[in-house]
Amino acid sequence: ETGVTQTPRHLVMGMTNKKSLKCEQHLGHNAMYWYKQSAKKPLELMFVYNFKEQTENNSVPSRFSPECPNSSHLFLHLHTLQPEDSALYLCASSPRQGAQEYGYTFGSGTRLTVV
Amino acid sequence: TQLLEQSPQFLSIQEGENLTVYCNSSSVFSSLQWYRQEPGEGPVLLVTVVTGGEVKKLKRLTFQFGDARKDSSLHITAAQPGDTGLYLCAGEDGSNYQLIWGAGTKLIIKP
Repeated sequence: ETGVTQTPRHLVMGMTNKKSLKCEQHLGHNAMYWYKQSAKKPLELMFVYNFKEQTENNSVPSRFSPECPNSSHLFLHLHTLQPEDSALYLCASSPRQGAQEYGYTFGSGTRLTVV
Repeated sequence: TQLLEQSPQFLSIQEGENLTVYCNSSSVFSSLQWYRQEPGEGPVLLVTVVTGGEVKKLKRLTFQFGDARKDSSLHITAAQPGDTGLYLCAGEDGSNYQLIWGAGTKLIIKP
């Protein structure tokens, strides 16, 4: 399978739950990104991994915890979320961090609702 | 703080009409990208512009990067319902390679 695949597509979780979002790419890319997308707001960069090393943490609350076991897989572990964390969470990849001429390849996202 | 302002925020027009959407900033960008996002999907890259004054065409879509590399426009000729979506621009901050995103223009093309 080509492209960037995110699972699950939809997730409803209580504020005390623990869940994980998964992202997988088979493009041979070495940089992977987590973004949060809320209605009518610019995409918010959360985390960046370049060659499996975390290079950016954009002041994200500790209730979000990323994991990148290899260049093809990226996880976002969630615990004790707040209702304002409800959003579309997008994973993206690129050949390497900074290779903007190639753009990003995005997954379809996980629509997260915190109740 | 770098900002990218997109205008209009929302546009609804009839099939066959022409339209232009804008992406403006007071900051200079090393490059600028345009994406289209359809409901329930992630953004898909349309084009990257790098040189000030650059014009790129993708079928009925024409992208222009401002001479000073602070702004960009997307012009669609004879819009079709398949052009419906959220159009996002993102400028590259050359100092740290990060992308600065606009909030998007939601475009609806009515048959």
